Amino acid sequence: EIVLTQSPDTLSLSPGERATLSCRASQSVSSSSLAWYQQKPGQAPRLLIYGESSRATGIPDRFSGSGSGTDFTLTIARLEPEDFALYYCQQYDSSLPLYTFGQGTKLEIK
Amino acid sequence: EVQLVESGGGLVQPGGSLRLSCAASGFTFSDNYMDWVRQAPGKGLEWVGRIRNKHKNYMTEYAASVKGRFTISRDDSKNSVFLQMNSLKTEDTAVYYCAREYYSKLDYWGQGSLVTVSS
Repeated sequence: EIVLTQSPDTLSLSPGERATLSCRASQSVSSSSLAWYQQKPGQAPRLLIYGESSRATGIPDRFSGSGSGTDFTLTIARLEPEDFALYYCQQYDSSLPLYTFGQGTKLEIK
Repeated sequence: EVQLVESGGGLVQPGGSLRLSCAASGFTFSDNYMDWVRQAPGKGLEWVGRIRNKHKNYMTEYAASVKGRFTISRDDSKNSVFLQMNSLKTEDTAVYYCAREYYSKLDYWGQGSLVTVSS
């Protein structure tokens, strides 16, 4: 089973700043199988980024993804108040479990 | 607009059973694989299982933690997917989400249904 480790656990920043969230896999992962989700309190996760750096429908261009192999990054260029939330990375593998998620990074207002 | 709406959650005693439903709209349901993901209170996301489409013989796959206790099924005529949960344990307490699978990602999620296993 591929384990995803996100860092940091909590990131404290101010609106307008740049956020960099990391996701490290225990073994190499195909970039096409890596995705990022945003979750706000009381809401379902929402797909943000998938594949190399494709944004899901309706996701603003301040969100971008990068990385390969075992190290992946979600970058939010200029934080808006609505961006403060929990973020999860996810990978897909053809062997069970099909989907694994990182433990999450909480992005909070400083 | 894609919509997924779960129902059927509630309080159940350890060892009991519960069946969750997820009604889909806004897309060609029969074409898609459908997944269930859960989230224990204050915890992260855990994949529960998947059902493929008719073209792939409705094949199901499960996480080790639920295999043999949970069963996923679907009714394409009703645009619905189901999660039958038997022999429930306290550690199964979670919000259960159904999600549409699309090329190695879960692109639409329902609002979730809370299942509480407690005596």
